[in-house]
Amino acid sequence: QSALTQPASVSGSPGQSITISCTGSSSDVGAYNSVSWYQQLPDKAPKLIIYDVNHRPSGISNRFSGSKSGSTASLTISGLQAEDEADYYCSSYRIGNLGVFGGGTRLTVL
Amino acid sequence: EVRLVESGGGVVRTGESLRLSCGAFGFTFDGHGMSWVRQAPGRGLEWVSGINWNGASISYADSVKGRFIISRDNAKNSLYLQMSSLRAEDTALYYCARDVSYIALDTWGQGTMVTVSS
Repeated sequence: QSALTQPASVSGSPGQSITISCTGSSSDVGAYNSVSWYQQLPDKAPKLIIYDVNHRPSGISNRFSGSKSGSTASLTISGLQAEDEADYYCSSYRIGNLGVFGGGTRLTVL
Repeated sequence: EVRLVESGGGVVRTGESLRLSCGAFGFTFDGHGMSWVRQAPGRGLEWVSGINWNGASISYADSVKGRFIISRDNAKNSLYLQMSSLRAEDTALYYCARDVSYIALDTWGQGTMVTVSS
């Protein structure tokens, strides 16, 4: 079971927007609108920030948004802030009632 | 407060077994599917196993299939992961998490560390 593909790192300056991609296949990202995104701060548990491609849980800033085209999903963070510096992971439901994560992307705020 | 608390981690030798537990608090446990997710030191997240609300639907990652068994006791608001034939590559922080929509995990525990040594 191969992981979803994310860039290892992205960076941006405060106030800018960045986008993190997440590429899967026709068995997961391309087949279902069940892509989620998580933010993980150092030594903390992951936090759900986007689910079902583009839905935000209660309390999550509208600076976080998600989208999908074919087998590639994307997370966009607008108005970048220092506190956004973290690791970000995508995940997807996969055929066979399985789950799969991406390898993670380290976001650096310059 | 919605909360998950894992326990049962420890240091074991290759080939041994371990049972992890996860207690659920502050929500209707039998209204949700649950998952186990692990994170090896310095590495990314790996989905390990999932179970639906009543235990009738269970799935595993290929890396643990045949060695790990997930189960739940709704009367005790608890989730379990029985791990056997442990390998060095199973060394990780194991999280339990609540599933709210097809592997959308909105609540996570603090994790319990499993170390497998030879």
